[in-house]
Amino acid sequence: AQKITQTQPGMFVQEKEAVTLDCTYDTSDQSYGLFWYKQPSSGEMIFLIYQGSYDEQNATEGRYSLNFQKARKSANLVISASQLGDSAMYFCAMREAPYNQGGKLIFGQGTELSVKP
Amino acid sequence: SAVISQKPSRDICQRGTSLTIQCQVDSQVTMMFWYRQQPGQSLTLIATANQGSEATYESGFVIDKFPISRPNLTFSTLTVSNMSPEDSSIYLCSVDRQGGDVTEAFFGQGTRLTVV
Repeated sequence: AQKITQTQPGMFVQEKEAVTLDCTYDTSDQSYGLFWYKQPSSGEMIFLIYQGSYDEQNATEGRYSLNFQKARKSANLVISASQLGDSAMYFCAMREAPYNQGGKLIFGQGTELSVKP
Repeated sequence: SAVISQKPSRDICQRGTSLTIQCQVDSQVTMMFWYRQQPGQSLTLIATANQGSEATYESGFVIDKFPISRPNLTFSTLTVSNMSPEDSSIYLCSVDRQGGDVTEAFFGQGTRLTVV
């Protein structure tokens, strides 16, 4: 069965420093996609970054990058130069489907990130 | 990105009553997804709504409790029926949108429901 594990319930980081949020996954499928979302206290889910299982390069989007290690089944999110506005809940999610098809997402438990001034 | 309007943004309801949540998308989509996020928990899929057919419910969720309508390709509703305090959650609708080679998932703003 598909499973996403985020082992860090909470993380602290100093403003302007980098932080890594861990995510491991379990799937028997060869084709899948991995997503990271940010959820501020307002409750909305903000899409951050995507990594496909066949992508050879690690995904990057501005200050966000994904450290994808397929053999270890990990997809850690790296946030560089943290800002106070980065304080939020972060969810890792997986979709078991070819990357160009839609479908349901399986979510991890989330990591609450707090950025200190 | 997809523009998804979800209403209401929050509500406080009496137990035993029902609440209907609306989700409007800015363009036509095949599938719409409804998720529940209980307090301090992750998101769990309730059901997938396809236009013109019955919604597909995940294990642990039933149509009598969470009836879904999908009258057209841009709109869906989720009803939380006969509410109890355990139904207090954030409910989110989601759609997939092709972004280059990737099918991205976008979410509405969520409906924060409190049942008293």
